[in-house]
Amino acid sequence: GQQVMQIPQYQHVQEGEDFTTYCNSSTTLSNIQWYKQRPGGHPVFLIQLVKSGEVKKQKRLTFQFGEAKKNSSLHITATQTTDVGTYFCAGSSMEYGNKLVFGAGTILRVKS
Amino acid sequence: DVKVTQSSRYLVKRTGEKVFLECVQDMDHENMFWYRQDPGLGLRLIYFSYDVKMKEKGDIPEGYSVSREKKERFSLILESASTNQTSMYLCASSKQGFHNEQFFGPGTRLTVL
Repeated sequence: GQQVMQIPQYQHVQEGEDFTTYCNSSTTLSNIQWYKQRPGGHPVFLIQLVKSGEVKKQKRLTFQFGEAKKNSSLHITATQTTDVGTYFCAGSSMEYGNKLVFGAGTILRVKS
Repeated sequence: DVKVTQSSRYLVKRTGEKVFLECVQDMDHENMFWYRQDPGLGLRLIYFSYDVKMKEKGDIPEGYSVSREKKERFSLILESASTNQTSMYLCASSKQGFHNEQFFGPGTRLTVL
């Protein structure tokens, strides 16, 4: 079945350092979505990418969708304590009925 | 403000009990989903529904069933709870179509003893 792998599983950074999480799919994706889950909270939608090679920015967050539409990344510049949480990517593929498949998530901790 | 609510934040049940988890959304969304979240495994889709009285299996439907009698309500049923169903259960909804953002409820932490 469709698989979405996400690395790293866990990252602990010093406040002000950059952070990147990577997402890879076993199949070509129709789209990829990113969600953030604060500790004790529920996932909240951040963004969706649909075009090959697409890059989108939200303040200090940069999202990329690979040219082959099989991988994606989320980069946070100069992390802040408010960035802590788990970041999930989720992709869907026509080949697998367009169901959204979530990666395992990357837990980000920020030391101040 | 858009909202997805779940009937309980915490639930403790015994093995073999029948368990009902309720989810209600007030956004008039066509799509509704049930996921379970376990450490290191992310969110795994149990069942989803694109319309009233319609349901489709997700990736891990075994041991679960669902009911969607009204557009705003999607229920997850554990016919006979087992300890391996101890988990966080998240309900979500989205507009019609495949690629819309999903809005999640606060989750129900279910413990089966």
